Amino acid sequence: EVQLVESGGGLVQPGGSLRLSCAASGFTFSDHFMDWVRQAPGKGLEWVGRIRKKPNNYTTEYAASLKGRFTISRDDSNNSVFLQMNSVKTEDTAVYYCARVWSDSSGRDALNLWGQGTMVTVSS
Amino acid sequence: AIQMTQSPSSLSASVGDRVTITCRASQGIRNDIGWYQQRPGKAPKLLIYATSSLQGGVPSRFSGSGSDTDFTLTISSLQPEDSATYFCLEDYGYPLTFGGGTKVEIK
Repeated sequence: EVQLVESGGGLVQPGGSLRLSCAASGFTFSDHFMDWVRQAPGKGLEWVGRIRKKPNNYTTEYAASLKGRFTISRDDSNNSVFLQMNSVKTEDTAVYYCARVWSDSSGRDALNLWGQGTMVTVSS
Repeated sequence: AIQMTQSPSSLSASVGDRVTITCRASQGIRNDIGWYQQRPGKAPKLLIYATSSLQGGVPSRFSGSGSDTDFTLTISSLQPEDSATYFCLEDYGYPLTFGGGTKVEIK
């Protein structure tokens, strides 16, 4: 089955760290860029960042407000992508989704596969 | 960063109605926009990419149009299962930016 499954969410204190994982299955993971997107309770979607694939040197992009605190990495041998969250703040409380970046034959991109999300709560 | 202004924030319509949702970009984004549907408690689902290309398996009552800064998602004949929140997402450059969302309710 083609799917993404996030894990690692939970309760973390302000200033703490958390590492989220996203396990992919059913497709060639190494062929795809991967994104993280988050959604605060009752709010809209916020793009967190992207990691490219090996031919693109695994380079990353981030939302400006998160740069320096969040780091995206991947392990193609285990079909996984990770989100390292450091110095977390109460405003980082959200459901975190990983999503596959898909390109059609013309090179147009979209997020065409999403995980179910993992909840992160930042609170003392 | 590009700002995406989505409107309306919510709407209520009857089954069979034609529904239109718009996103306006703060600068030209060519045709680099997609539309996503999110039902309560679920992950978003891709409906339309590159302004007007229908994702496989998505009903043909969904369509997208626009160019440069102004884009539209249209549901030609609203169905009960279309009750959801809809988001646009521009992927012209980095960072990517979502619109604020439109909650569609069935009367």
